[in-house]
Amino acid sequence: EPEVTQTPSHQVTQMGQEVILRCVPISNHLYFYWYRQILGQKVEFLVSFYNNEISEKSEIFDDQFSVERPDGSNFTLKIRSTKLEDSAMYFCASTPLGGETGELFFGEGSRLTVL
Amino acid sequence: SQQGEEDPQALSIQEGENATMNCSYKTSINNLQWYRQNSGRGLVHLILIRSNEREKHSGRLRVTLDTSKKSSSLLITASRAADTASYFCATVGGDYKLSFGAGTTVTVRA
Repeated sequence: EPEVTQTPSHQVTQMGQEVILRCVPISNHLYFYWYRQILGQKVEFLVSFYNNEISEKSEIFDDQFSVERPDGSNFTLKIRSTKLEDSAMYFCASTPLGGETGELFFGEGSRLTVL
Repeated sequence: SQQGEEDPQALSIQEGENATMNCSYKTSINNLQWYRQNSGRGLVHLILIRSNEREKHSGRLRVTLDTSKKSSSLLITASRAADTASYFCATVGGDYKLSFGAGTTVTVRA
């Protein structure tokens, strides 16, 4: 069964370093998302992406964050200068549907630890 | 914000019992979805109920939606140890963005 894959599963980085989290959405899906979950807290929306551009972003998604679809398969989240509070699980998701948002298919997540 | 808020925060039940958790939200929705998350894993979609639906079933899952009260419930019948997980409701409104609540942690004791 097709699935969303994310790499790395865990990354440890020093504060101030740049981090790129990678995602391969399901191949025929059109909408892509990044969510994050700080340990023990709720899952928070970061950004949605459609037709090679950001369709919506949250207050969390400030200038330190960027997303890119560099080729036909990968979808990346870049954090330019990581802060301690960026430590979280980052989930990529995709969906084939437009209009009404239906079921999102999530990857297993990338755990980011900022020291 | 239209994020759902689950109640209770945590639930511990015996295997074979039913588990019920509730979700309340603030603004009008297009649909409401329930997801499960096993510890340290990704979110798995369980069921979607549209704003014009009142009840939906999927296997041992039963979801209700009361748009007048802006609330939903998820019932898991005949629970199993494998049902131990966190359960999240998520709402979709006019912005087509999926917004999650804080979740209910369910522990099923053998």
